[in-house]
Amino acid sequence: AQSVTQLDSQVPVFEEAPVELRCNYSSSVSVYLFWYVQYPNQGLQLLLKYLSGSTLVKGINGFEAEFNKSQTSFHLRKPSVHISDTAEYFCAVTPAHTGGFKTIFGAGTRLFVKA
Amino acid sequence: DVKVTQSSRYLVKRTGEKVFLECVQDMDHENMFWYRQDPGLGLRLIYFSYDVKMKEKGDIPEGYSVSREKKERFSLILESASTNQTSMYLCASIGGRNNSPLHFGNGTRLTVT
Repeated sequence: AQSVTQLDSQVPVFEEAPVELRCNYSSSVSVYLFWYVQYPNQGLQLLLKYLSGSTLVKGINGFEAEFNKSQTSFHLRKPSVHISDTAEYFCAVTPAHTGGFKTIFGAGTRLFVKA
Repeated sequence: DVKVTQSSRYLVKRTGEKVFLECVQDMDHENMFWYRQDPGLGLRLIYFSYDVKMKEKGDIPEGYSVSREKKERFSLILESASTNQTSMYLCASIGGRNNSPLHFGNGTRLTVT
């Protein structure tokens, strides 16, 4: 079975500051890793994904994430945040052999960017 | 562009009512999902469907049923709504490859009074 832990439920940060949203996972099988973003009153949309290859993946809106297999982490980072980045962010893992049917989501991290 | 459309953004229903949540996707995806989103719990899978008329229970199916009569449409049914079903409901679909991401609708916020 897989599990996903997002270590911070809320992250307040000032505009133009860097941010890191932390995600740890556990799995006995190979997984694909995803970050989704949910803006207020909207559904989730894909921010970035790690399937294989380079451990540093870049996504939309200047976000990037690094896959660390030894630490089973997939932390999301942005060097300089904007007010418009205020949203909830979800880390998700999908077993490689089953695909999206068995996707597990973390509880979410609410990023609040202050002026 | 990929689109998943949920017919209602907000619904208010009374306890005991039968409630239908509708979802349509235009991507010709075989697989569709209904999730429930609650603060601090993330997304929990209620039901999914991998083909027309085919369905599988997710992690929290109690109190819900689903219908998939056409490939593009997946309905979630609350047979007798209860206050503990007040929540945000998200529909999603996914392509056939195992590494495909989920595509979500904008959600339906259901309040049961």
